[in-house]
This record gives sequence, C-alpha cells and structure tokens, in this order.
Amino acid sequence: GDSVTQMEGPVTLSEEAFLTINCTYTATGYPSLFWYVQYPGEGLQLLLKATKADDKGSNKGFEATYRKETTSFHLEKGSVQVSDSAVYFCALRNYGGATNKLIFGTGTLLAVQP
Amino acid sequence: DTGVSQDPRHKITKRGQNVTFRCDPISEHNRLYWYRQTLGQGPEFLTYFQNEAQLEKSRLLSDRFSAERPKGSFSTLEIQRTEQGDSAMYLCASGPGLNSPLHFGNGTRLTVT
Repeated sequence: GDSVTQMEGPVTLSEEAFLTINCTYTATGYPSLFWYVQYPGEGLQLLLKATKADDKGSNKGFEATYRKETTSFHLEKGSVQVSDSAVYFCALRNYGGATNKLIFGTGTLLAVQP
Repeated sequence: DTGVSQDPRHKITKRGQNVTFRCDPISEHNRLYWYRQTLGQGPEFLTYFQNEAQLEKSRLLSDRFSAERPKGSFSTLEIQRTEQGDSAMYLCASGPGLNSPLHFGNGTRLTVT
C-alpha cells in the first residue's frame, strides 16, 4: 500500500541554520504531497503542498519540490527561527479511491535553539 | 469559519470504561475523517464519512470502536471497554470536496489508566 518515510528526529539546529527534512514516498498513480506542521499544543496545520511532478510548494520560507524520479518531497528552509520549532509531517493523498485519505509519515521533531 | 472543533480536549478514564468523543466539522464540509496519533508517530487513518455515510474503516478500528455521523454534521467516536493501548490523541479532520485540503481539529487526548 501507499506509505511515507521521513527522517527520524529530533533535528536540533541553531537559529539561522539551513534546514532539510527528508521525505520519500511509495504510491501507485500520481499522489499529491503535503507537509503539515504541529506546534506544541496545537492541531495539524497544512504548511505546503504540491500536486504534480516538479511542482514546488512554498510557504513561510519553507519549500519542497515534488520529485517523481526519486519519489521524494524534501522540506527545506534557508534560515530557521526559534518559532519554527515543531513537529513536521510529510503526507500523501492518492486521489484514485473514494476516500482520498491522507497517509502520514512518522513526523520529525525540529528544535531550533537561539 | 470557526474551524474543526473537538470535545473534550482531554479525557482520562479507567481501563474498561466507555468513552465518547465529539467532532464538529467546519459547516458544509461533507467529508469527515478520524485519525489516531500515538506518541512519536504520525496520524493513522481510522474512518471516513461522506455526509452521513461511513465509507471506509481501517483495520485499526476494532469492534470496540464505533463512529457515527447521524445527520451528516457532527460526528462521534465511541470506544467501549477501553484498554491502555487506546491511549492516544484522536484527531478529526474535515473537507468540503474530493480534492480539497483537510482541516484538522486540535484533537482529544485520551489517557487510559
């Protein structure tokens, strides 16, 4: 079945460091890919998405490019801030079925130190 | 748009008791999903409703779990004879259409002692 694999955390960075969180997927067809963020004590929020190969999703300085050839959707940010500390989830959604459920990776905890 | 609302935020119960959670989706969202998230894991799909019809149930949803959406608006998730392994965050999400983004609630955290 469809699945998402993302790098294990925690990832600890100093403020203004470059961030990469790796995400790869296995899916039939052409899924849409997402990054969700979960701040402490809050619900899941959509951070960015890409719906087809070579699309780049971006939001709040974060970017991810849908790479079909490597089945990857790595999250990047050029300069992280303390306020970016959160858990980041990579997810896919395959629109081939009736349910269109999101399938999530295990999450990566990011801790940014001042 | 007041967002997806879940009640209660926290629930502590003793093993063997029954619990019920409620989810109020964003109005006019006809698609509603329940997920379960355990510590250190990503959310896992439990069940899906389109309006009042429950169209898919995960194998994770044992016969102790039941979900309803009687009028196609709010939904309830009941767990009977709770076990310690049921301790988790239970998330609800809704969406207005087949390809639209899902909006998540803040979840109900269940602790079974």
